[in-house]
Amino acid sequence: EPEVTQTPSHQVTQMGQEVILRCVPISNHLYFYWYRQILGQKVEFLVSFYNNEISEKSEIFDDQFSVERPDGSNFTLKIRSTKLEDSAMYFCASSLGDGETQYFGPGTRLLVL
Amino acid sequence: GDSVTQMEGPVTLSEEAFLTINCTYTATGYPSLFWYVQYPGEGLQLLLKATKADDKGSNKGFEATYRKETTSFHLEKGSVQVSDSAVYFCALIRNQAGTALIFGKGTTLSVSS
Repeated sequence: EPEVTQTPSHQVTQMGQEVILRCVPISNHLYFYWYRQILGQKVEFLVSFYNNEISEKSEIFDDQFSVERPDGSNFTLKIRSTKLEDSAMYFCASSLGDGETQYFGPGTRLLVL
Repeated sequence: GDSVTQMEGPVTLSEEAFLTINCTYTATGYPSLFWYVQYPGEGLQLLLKATKADDKGSNKGFEATYRKETTSFHLEKGSVQVSDSAVYFCALIRNQAGTALIFGKGTTLSVSS
């Protein structure tokens, strides 16, 4: 069964450093998403992406964040200058269409020191 | 704004006990409703969904009915197993008004033999 994959599974970085989190969505899906889950808190929406542009973003997704689909298979989330409060599990998801079921990857646990 | 409220956990049950996890929502319009499950060390998996009032979603012995009059989507299972131990998230997506899944805080279920 097709699945969403994410790399790396864990990443440790120093405050102020840039990180790139990578995702490979399900191949025929057209909508891509990033969510995060700070330890002990709810899963929060960051951004959705369709047709090579952002379709929706939350207030969390500020200028420090960017997304890109650099080729036909990868979908990336970049954090330009990480802060301690960016430490969280980051989930990528994809869906076939708008409002359709979103399928999640296993997540990348980011720790900012 | 739109929101999802779940019963606080953890929920601790013996094997074969009956499970109910309450979920209520606040949303404009008619959202689609979902239950996702997160097993230890894994990502979010779709458990079941319902897209309109009175729909019943079901999967792996779990059921939930979309109740518009009470704005609820309670998760039930008649006989839980140890393997059902996980965190359960109720979520909604606003039809025709965005792509973001809005999650509840999650309810941890622990089943002992």
